[in-house]
Amino acid sequence: EAGVVQSPRYKIIEKKQPVAFWCNPISGHNTLYWYLQNLGQGPELLIRYENEEAVDDSQLPKDRFSAERLKGVDSTLKIQPAELGDSAVYLCASSLGQGANGELFFGEGSRLTVL
Amino acid sequence: AQSVTQPDIHITVSEGASLELRCNYSYGATPYLFWYVQSPGQGLQLLLKYFSGDTLVQGIKGFEAEFKRSQSSFNLRKPSVHWSDAAEYFCAVGGYGGSQGNLIFGKGTKLSVKP
Repeated sequence: EAGVVQSPRYKIIEKKQPVAFWCNPISGHNTLYWYLQNLGQGPELLIRYENEEAVDDSQLPKDRFSAERLKGVDSTLKIQPAELGDSAVYLCASSLGQGANGELFFGEGSRLTVL
Repeated sequence: AQSVTQPDIHITVSEGASLELRCNYSYGATPYLFWYVQSPGQGLQLLLKYFSGDTLVQGIKGFEAEFKRSQSSFNLRKPSVHWSDAAEYFCAVGGYGGSQGNLIFGKGTKLSVKP
């Protein structure tokens, strides 16, 4: 069974440019998460989707970040415009239900470098 | 507010030696507790979890953890470390916002293994 797939794995952009990350969760997983991992830190939740509905986006900086999960499967996280402080790893995770049995399955992440 | 503290940023142990990684949490209710492992360039993988019941939980790869409510701790242990255990380990508490999948992570402990 395929795991959580993220792309691109690496992205280097200049500040003020836009960037987008894509995530394909495990088949059948209705809950999808985007986490942000800064260097030397643990991941921090940005947004959680239940199917196509964003049910928790309280930590998403809405002035420059946006996300969508149009058909309740794939998801895209966008930053526009990017700032130097956005350099980090963006992790996508999925689970059955609301973390049913407590297991989130993480992708390998998308590493963003903003110059 | 919920929080997770991992006091040790970096630990080095010899192969075959025992290991204990410390984790303390702050959470108002009965916590859902997790340990994840992250190898370089990889996503996070769940090692074990505690929801309720027996306070000593077994996980994958020979790891175990013990929940001690009186000490607000959930330390990870392994009796004999293998070189392949070198990675970063994250403790997490879940359940805020009504979802087990909303995890708060510690900053991680990087484990190095000496031959």
